[in-house]
Amino acid sequence: GAVVSQHPSWVICKSGTSVKIECRSLDFQATTMFWYRQFPKQSLMLMATSNEGSKATYEQGVEKDKFLINHASLTLSTLTVTSAHPEDSSFYICSARVLRTSGASTDTQYFGPGTRLTVL
Amino acid sequence: RKEVEQDPGPFNVPEGATVAFNCTYSNSASQSFFWYRQDCRKEPKLLMSVYSSGNEDGRFTAQLNRASQYISLLIRDSKLSDSATYLCVVKGDNFNKFYFGSGTKLNVKP
Repeated sequence: GAVVSQHPSWVICKSGTSVKIECRSLDFQATTMFWYRQFPKQSLMLMATSNEGSKATYEQGVEKDKFLINHASLTLSTLTVTSAHPEDSSFYICSARVLRTSGASTDTQYFGPGTRLTVL
Repeated sequence: RKEVEQDPGPFNVPEGATVAFNCTYSNSASQSFFWYRQDCRKEPKLLMSVYSSGNEDGRFTAQLNRASQYISLLIRDSKLSDSATYLCVVKGDNFNKFYFGSGTKLNVKP
């Protein structure tokens, strides 16, 4: 399957600081990437859809000014948690969409390994 | 009503057992269906796509029933390493919308 990396894998920061998380597709180009958040023992929650070269589409209830998304290239999307607070502590996971329309068409997501954010 | 619903479990089964999970979806126009596996504190990993004719990969068999709007995953000869949460994912008719179930937890015991 396609390989997606995420960096950093974990981060601990003080309340009020900003944290940037990178998501890269390593062996393919991804026009669409997704950002999720997952709290312990809960399901994935889609935060936003990141499209290369355009503004991200945020899900209802997700503050776009707090969670800044930039998808500057076909292999990189970044999520910046601005002025992080303890309630932002969570597991943040990105995924990249693989869409093939030739041959056996597929439309799937491959996930990065996640970033565990702890805000003190 | 949720777009995708799964029995949260947990399903506790002995090694070697056969176990089946179902997942229902609400949008009849949904186009693609997947099963992912998520281990504790890890990212989801694609287990298999689900095709209309059903498909099998080793001990895993996936079925799609469009009339009743559900997909299933059958695991035969369960291994301890199969213990995980299994996520049902449905791609809607919106180009960018994938809907995740809340996951079914499987515990395979010796």
